[in-house]
Amino acid sequence: NAGVTQTPKFQVLKTGQSMTLQCAQDMNHNSMYWYRQDPGMGLRLIYYSASEGTTDKGEVPNGYNVSRLNKREFSLRLESAAPSQTSVYFCATTETGRNTEAFFGQGTRLTVV
Amino acid sequence: DAKTTQPTSMDCAEGRAANLPCNHSTISGNEYVYWYRQIHSQGPQYIIHGLKNNETNEMASLIITEDRKSSTLILPHATLRDTAVYYCIAHRRTSYDKVIFGPGTSLSVIP
Repeated sequence: NAGVTQTPKFQVLKTGQSMTLQCAQDMNHNSMYWYRQDPGMGLRLIYYSASEGTTDKGEVPNGYNVSRLNKREFSLRLESAAPSQTSVYFCATTETGRNTEAFFGQGTRLTVV
Repeated sequence: DAKTTQPTSMDCAEGRAANLPCNHSTISGNEYVYWYRQIHSQGPQYIIHGLKNNETNEMASLIITEDRKSSTLILPHATLRDTAVYYCIAHRRTSYDKVIFGPGTSLSVIP
């Protein structure tokens, strides 16, 4: 039982390159989230998905796109990476409407040079 | 969801109780207080939550004031492994889309 799995764990991109961060959960939760965390800061919500087939913008969606591929998987895409997107990215899941304890992945540390 | 305020940092001697305060003066009646911690840039980990009664589990105790405007997370016997950033959030038990994770309290447990 892995919980929430993020890949890759580390990535270095050049400015303008694209990449997709993957998140998969085996908890059968409906809701999934993508956050970014900059040094010394809290977590800021980028996008979330309340259920399979739906996605909504969070606090800082610019420069990102998401796909809720199925109930298990929620991916985050950077189409043209910028140095300002250097951050640690966390995926999380919750069971909507019930005990909404959030479960987080271990993070993807992204550096854009 | 209600905004919360926490001290930026705290120290605690190993073996002593760590008492982490949180202010949530604008909390509404249907919002719960949740605590998470983040150890060394790992993903945040759930600790405990409560509505108005005090709560205890194997990790910690949560004391919520009668007016619900503040709460205290208590780690009864802090160890070096409790060194982490602790986040207090207040939200309704539905979705995390409006939850604000502020900078939290950086707790250092000192030998």
